[in-house]
Amino acid sequence: AQSVTQLGSHVSVSEGALVLLRCNYSSSVPPYLFWYVQYPNQGLQLLLKYTSAATLVKGINGFEAEFKKSETSFHLTKPSAHMSDAAEYFCAVSHAGGTSYGKLTFGQGTILTVHP
Amino acid sequence: GAGVSQSPSNKVTEKGKDVELRCDPISGHTALYWYRQSLGQGLEFLIYFQGNSAPDKSGLPSDRFSAERTGGSVSTLTIQRTQQEDSAVYLCASSLAIREGRGDTQYFGPGTRLTVL
Repeated sequence: AQSVTQLGSHVSVSEGALVLLRCNYSSSVPPYLFWYVQYPNQGLQLLLKYTSAATLVKGINGFEAEFKKSETSFHLTKPSAHMSDAAEYFCAVSHAGGTSYGKLTFGQGTILTVHP
Repeated sequence: GAGVSQSPSNKVTEKGKDVELRCDPISGHTALYWYRQSLGQGLEFLIYFQGNSAPDKSGLPSDRFSAERTGGSVSTLTIQRTQQEDSAVYLCASSLAIREGRGDTQYFGPGTRLTVL
């Protein structure tokens, strides 16, 4: 079975500071991992995904994530936060096999607040 | 170049009534997913369609919930005899479902906010 855990339901940073959102996964097979962002009253938008190619994945809006198998982690980072980054972020793992191809299991989400 | 659309955007209903939620996936996407987002439970998978068939209905919370997809396109999620605990945002997503589908990007609609009074 696959699962993800996001450490920290709320993260607050200053504008211009480093953003680090943590995600750890559990998977019995090589995982496919995703980060999605949700702005208020909107659906989810894909930031980036890991599909067993390069371990450092670059996404939109300056975000990137590094897959570390030894730590079972897929943390999301951005060197310099912008006010527009304030949103809720979800880490997800895609299921493999059986009838559940592509089904996503999400973490509980992390609300990012950016203050001036 | 339309994305995934969902209707209605908001639905308020009385306990015990039936509701239908609609999803229009991106044209050409063969896979369609329904998820539910609620304060207590986070984002939960409900059901998955490949074409018109639903190989995975494991997330449907009760037999009051059903879904269908016709013509490999539009999908309808129906909740019968709604209860207050059904209040949530219902999200639909679609993907191309090339290969085995695990790595495919799912594109999400804006959701339907359901409130059961």
